[in-house]
Amino acid sequence: EADIYQTPRYLVIGTGKKITLECSQTMGHDKMYWYQQDPGMELHLIHYSYGVNSTEKGDLSSESTVSRIRTEHFPLTLESARPSHTSQYLCASSKSLTGGSLGELFFGEGSRLTVL
Amino acid sequence: GESVGLHLPTLSVQEGDNSIINCAYSNSASDYFIWYKQESGKGPQFIIDIRSNMDKRQGQRVTVLLNKTVKHLSLQIAATQPGDSAVYFCAEWVGAGKSTFGDGTTLTVKP
Repeated sequence: EADIYQTPRYLVIGTGKKITLECSQTMGHDKMYWYQQDPGMELHLIHYSYGVNSTEKGDLSSESTVSRIRTEHFPLTLESARPSHTSQYLCASSKSLTGGSLGELFFGEGSRLTVL
Repeated sequence: GESVGLHLPTLSVQEGDNSIINCAYSNSASDYFIWYKQESGKGPQFIIDIRSNMDKRQGQRVTVLLNKTVKHLSLQIAATQPGDSAVYFCAEWVGAGKSTFGDGTTLTVKP
């Protein structure tokens, strides 16, 4: 069972509000990721981090930002939410490749965001 | 010529039958592939993986086949059960620790 947690699970918010989606993992993984997924559709990488103070943008452009101040914590922030941000956001982590693992991703249960 | 299974967005099978889910990947240099299962309202979960130096790997009730010539991956589920109903995704490692996910296939198991 994976030890990666996301909060909130569901959020309904009005346009223009600032939101932060929390993601924490207790596995000591150095790599963490944020994916965006519309219902039943493929996952798109929007942010990733290789470790503390490391953040990179993913393949899908996103207006969100992330930070990685602690190994276990990788929050995602939207400064001004819009209806186009309505989606499910999935956080994941994986071990470093140098540890011998080829990097299975462990996912949280997701945060479903609805912007009205 | 060699036939390659088509990716289908949905697949419906009878309980007890075998299921085959297909996936095409894009990057010839990818050296690691994973199948994930995503149940409704949850994040994807690891099922089975395969390295590019293999063409087949078996797990419990699941087998992954890799055809690098045509860049095709398949997941076979033996004796499909109602609990196997979910969306299945293949993912390829594209370097720098990143995965690219393919289009999912929704598997429905009829009792």
